[in-house]
Amino acid sequence: ETGVTQTPRHLVMGMTNKKSLKCEQHLGHNAMYWYKQSAKKPLELMFVYNFKEQTENNSVPSRFSPECPNSSHLFLHLHTLQPEDSALYLCASSQVPSRTEAFFGQGTRLTVV
Amino acid sequence: DQQVKQNSPSLSVQEGRISILNCDYTNSMFDYFLWYKKYPAEGPTFLISISSIKDKNEDGRFTVFLNKSAKHLSLHIVPSQPGDSAVYFCAAKVGGNTPLVFGKGTRLSVIA
Repeated sequence: ETGVTQTPRHLVMGMTNKKSLKCEQHLGHNAMYWYKQSAKKPLELMFVYNFKEQTENNSVPSRFSPECPNSSHLFLHLHTLQPEDSALYLCASSQVPSRTEAFFGQGTRLTVV
Repeated sequence: DQQVKQNSPSLSVQEGRISILNCDYTNSMFDYFLWYKKYPAEGPTFLISISSIKDKNEDGRFTVFLNKSAKHLSLHIVPSQPGDSAVYFCAAKVGGNTPLVFGKGTRLSVIA
């Protein structure tokens, strides 16, 4: 059982669809994150949840809606996306406060058509 | 404004030689630095880290050097192996509560 699991691994959706990405961590961490990786760009932090509370939203458009029902699960709800939203979406978790590293899931490769 | 910069998008190295990956940062508040390695179709995996109170940290074939005055860190891999071929991300954070800030990554190719 891997530490951070993301489903689905691949997703193709139309611009009018609604879909959700799921992330689950089995590490007992108390912070979870959504990152976006687009080609030739740094990993961009989207949302941060500490102890299930959203502590950071990096000016992410409202068509991305996160949900953290408990410290082990994180969702990213998607609706009316644009083709430029196609990217690799990575979930990560870590223990805060601490200097330990964040652990990443394998990501969901999203294609918006 | 990019706070963590990896100015070399790619690097090719002969097997057995040293690979040196560079990273510069602008935020003087960063006090913890990490390197992640990423294979295609996988998430980044942690490789090595260094605290700002140190200037060197070594783990097997991997050594990270930190030059605070230059706001520069580097990752040395020696000897390089074909399995080291991946994208390497530099990351930094402030204190224990903040999320990581990443660079764009450098694609390392180790040629047999």
